[in-house]
Amino acid sequence: KAGVTQTPRYLIKTRGQQVTLSCSPISGHRSVSWYQQTPGQGLQFLFEYFSETQRNKGNFPGRFSGRQFSNSRSEMNVSTLELGDSALYLCASSFAGPSSTDTQYFGPGTRLTVL
Amino acid sequence: SQQGEEDPQALSIQEGENATMNCSYKTSINNLQWYRQNSGRGLVHLILIRSNEREKHSGRLRVTLDTSKKSSSLLITASRAADTASYFCATQGGSEKLVFGKGTKLTVNP
Repeated sequence: KAGVTQTPRYLIKTRGQQVTLSCSPISGHRSVSWYQQTPGQGLQFLFEYFSETQRNKGNFPGRFSGRQFSNSRSEMNVSTLELGDSALYLCASSFAGPSSTDTQYFGPGTRLTVL
Repeated sequence: SQQGEEDPQALSIQEGENATMNCSYKTSINNLQWYRQNSGRGLVHLILIRSNEREKHSGRLRVTLDTSKKSSSLLITASRAADTASYFCATQGGSEKLVFGKGTKLTVNP
């Protein structure tokens, strides 16, 4: 069974631009969660989607948004990029989501650098 | 915030030795999970311990949970160079989302 895939793996953008990251969950998983990892703040929860609906959201500004498609693939979008958005963005999939005790399987991440 | 805090921040040991990492958190939880992350890569789930459990084993891993002290420990026995990674605890409480600590960076020297 293929694992969680994220594309692209690396991305370089400039301030003010927008970016879209993609996550394909493990087949059969309906929940996709997104996390931002930085050296200063560590791993922070962005949002979780389940069956195309945002079910939970972290404390991030509205510049961060996401969506989930009917095949459970998810995208997250960051508009008006700031230097502080440079981070490793991780997505995780599971059957029922982090609210259950299902194991979350993480993708390799997308390394975003904002110049 | 119920963010977990791992202790120590960094740990360097020799192959064959045991490694112990601790995690403290602030609010009540449903479960606590430990993850491993190799340099700059995705996280790998290691073990989950529920709030009504006190100890759990998985291979060379032993996790304890003390809800009265709001703390957990991860013990890796007979460590190997391949165990070199960052280890994170994550708590799950009423908010349903996982809240991660800052991690312990473990280096196992051959």
